[in-house]
Amino acid sequence: GAGVSQSPSNKVTEKGKDVELRCDPISGHTALYWYRQSLGQGLEFLIYFQGNSAPDKSGLPSDRFSAERTGGSVSTLTIQRTQQEDSAVYLCASSPGRTNEQFFGPGTRLTVL
Amino acid sequence: AQTVTQSQPEMSVQEAETVTLSCTYDTSESDYYLFWYKQPPSRQMILVIRQEAYKQQNATENRFSVNFQKAAKSFSLKISDSQLGDAAMYFCAYRNNNNDMRFGAGTRLTVKP
Repeated sequence: GAGVSQSPSNKVTEKGKDVELRCDPISGHTALYWYRQSLGQGLEFLIYFQGNSAPDKSGLPSDRFSAERTGGSVSTLTIQRTQQEDSAVYLCASSPGRTNEQFFGPGTRLTVL
Repeated sequence: AQTVTQSQPEMSVQEAETVTLSCTYDTSESDYYLFWYKQPPSRQMILVIRQEAYKQQNATENRFSVNFQKAAKSFSLKISDSQLGDAAMYFCAYRNNNNDMRFGAGTRLTVKP
């Protein structure tokens, strides 16, 4: 079956522009996570969706970052007025439930010039 | 807040030999989950092994095993009979029952032929 997919795989943008990153989780997975991975670093938690509950936004670094999950499936991470420090790989993961492992997508590499 | 520490930024092992990657974590909770993920250059995060904190028996998956020391809050990964394909970044991760997930900074493993 299909795994977690993310698009685009690479995105180059100019400072100040808005970007949208998309995540298609595995069908039926109720939990969805966004992480940021800066060069040579570990994963930084950004946001977590679980079913119809209010998302856990505690990891979002600033109000320029937002995410939504429509219909409990596809999620979009939006970064407004991008800055050079936003350059990183953005990883999405989904999980069947609270106690299950997370399945990761291939990530989107964002470069802000 | 829970923190995960990987004290070895880089490790190297000879093909067919055994290597141990270290991980310690800090938590006040008694029930949680621990994971080791592998991230090859393709960026795809792959689950290597998982351990439930309530289980005393160390998890094993083929050539991969862990040494889980709950009192010491230590969770090391042992790779036996190392193969060239094992070369990757390895991340230790902690998750509690609220799905709060934290990753270590990673250990880059090089396998020498």
